[in-house]
Amino acid sequence: KAGVTQTPRYLIKTRGQQVTLSCSPISGHRSVSWYQQTPGQGLQFLFEYFSETQRNKGNFPGRFSGRQFSNSRSEMNVSTLELGDSALYLCASSFNRGDETQYFGPGTRLLVL
Amino acid sequence: GENVEQHPSTLSVQEGDSAVIKCTYSDSASNYFPWYKQELGKGPQLIIDIRSNVGEKKDQRIAVTLNKTAKHFSLHITETQPEDSAVYFCAVQGAFGNEKLTFGTGTRLTIIP
Repeated sequence: KAGVTQTPRYLIKTRGQQVTLSCSPISGHRSVSWYQQTPGQGLQFLFEYFSETQRNKGNFPGRFSGRQFSNSRSEMNVSTLELGDSALYLCASSFNRGDETQYFGPGTRLLVL
Repeated sequence: GENVEQHPSTLSVQEGDSAVIKCTYSDSASNYFPWYKQELGKGPQLIIDIRSNVGEKKDQRIAVTLNKTAKHFSLHITETQPEDSAVYFCAVQGAFGNEKLTFGTGTRLTIIP
């Protein structure tokens, strides 16, 4: 069974631009969560989607948004990029909600210049 | 919210020796405790997990122990090998309805040949 895939793997943007990242969960998994990883803040939860609905949200500004499609694929969008948004963005999927194991993708490394 | 502390931040051990990493958490309602290994350029990989109704779990050279009363859990790696060198993260998942993972700050483990 294929793992979690994320596209693109690397991205360079400039301040003020917007970006959309994509995540395809493991086949059959219905829950997708997004995390931001930086050297200074570590791994931080962004949001979780289940059945096309956002179920949980972390403490990030409204510039960060996401959505989930009927096939469980998910996208996250960051508008008006700032230098501090440079990070590794990780997507994790799990079969269901609850105390289910989350499996991570390789991440999208975003560099904002 | 949940607060997870992880120690030590760096750990060097001779090949063949054991390594122990400890984490404490704050929310007594948390019920799922996974450990992830992250190698350079990759997303976190689940290596072992434990649920709140179990005190210890072992998988070959890796074991995790959980003390719910004291709110701490530990990762034990025995007979360490060079390929064990990586950054290890503990995580805590909240109760149903708040399933986001809160991560520790990571431990960089180096195995000295």
